[in-house]
Amino acid sequence: EAGVAQSPRYKIIEKRQSVAFWCNPISGHATLYWYQQILGQGPKLLIQFQNNGVVDDSQLPKDRFSAERLKGVDSTLKIQPAKLEDSAVYLCASRPVAGLYEQYFGPGTRLTVT
Amino acid sequence: KQEVTQIPAALSVPEGENLVLNCSFTDSAIYNLQWFRQDPGKGLTSLLLIQSSQREQTSGRLNASLDKSSGRSTLYIAASQPGDSATYLCAVGDNYGQNFVFGPGTRLSVLP
Repeated sequence: EAGVAQSPRYKIIEKRQSVAFWCNPISGHATLYWYQQILGQGPKLLIQFQNNGVVDDSQLPKDRFSAERLKGVDSTLKIQPAKLEDSAVYLCASRPVAGLYEQYFGPGTRLTVT
Repeated sequence: KQEVTQIPAALSVPEGENLVLNCSFTDSAIYNLQWFRQDPGKGLTSLLLIQSSQREQTSGRLNASLDKSSGRSTLYIAASQPGDSATYLCAVGDNYGQNFVFGPGTRLSVLP
C-alpha cells in the first residue's frame, strides 16, 4: 500500500512570494489533515477535510493561507503572500475516517522563507 | 483548550537501557492518544494508538500506557538501541477523534 505522498520536498522562496504544496493521501482515506511544524515544536493543525468538505480550519490564517481538496482525493495548500514566520515543515496526514483510526503522515515539505 | 506537554525535552542514554518518556495533557476528556516517532527531516511514523477505554498498548519493545484521570501517558522503551534515536511525539485525540493536539516532543539519543 502506497503511503501519503507530498511534493515538493523542499522549497525556498522570498517573503511576499506565493507557494503551493500538494498532498496525495492513502487510497480510500476520507480524512485529510494539513499540519504546520515549526522547528523544535510539535505539529499544529491547520485544516482538516472529510472527503472534500472542511471539518476544522479554525487555526488556518485565512488572510494568507488557503487549501482545497478536489473530488475528495488530492489536496493543495497555498500561502500567498509568504512571511518569514511561515518557515516550517508542512505535513499532510490521512486516515480512513476520524475516530478509531490512526493517522498516517507524509514526509513533509520544508519551506524556507528568506 | 487542550494543552499537551512532554518531559523531558531531550534524553541521552547508553544502549541497552530501559527508558520512559512522559506525556501530560490538561483535559482528560480525550478520545484516544497516539505516539509517533520522527526522524530528522522525515515525517511522523505511528508507533501506538491507545483508545480512551484502554489502559495500555504494546508493540515489540514499546509499551504505552494511558491514565486519563491523571492526564498522563507514558511510552516505555525496553532495551534501547541506537536505531531508537529520534524525536518521540504524543498526540491527544479529542472531539470524537476528529483532531489531534500534539506535544512538543522528546528528543532521544541512544549512545552505542
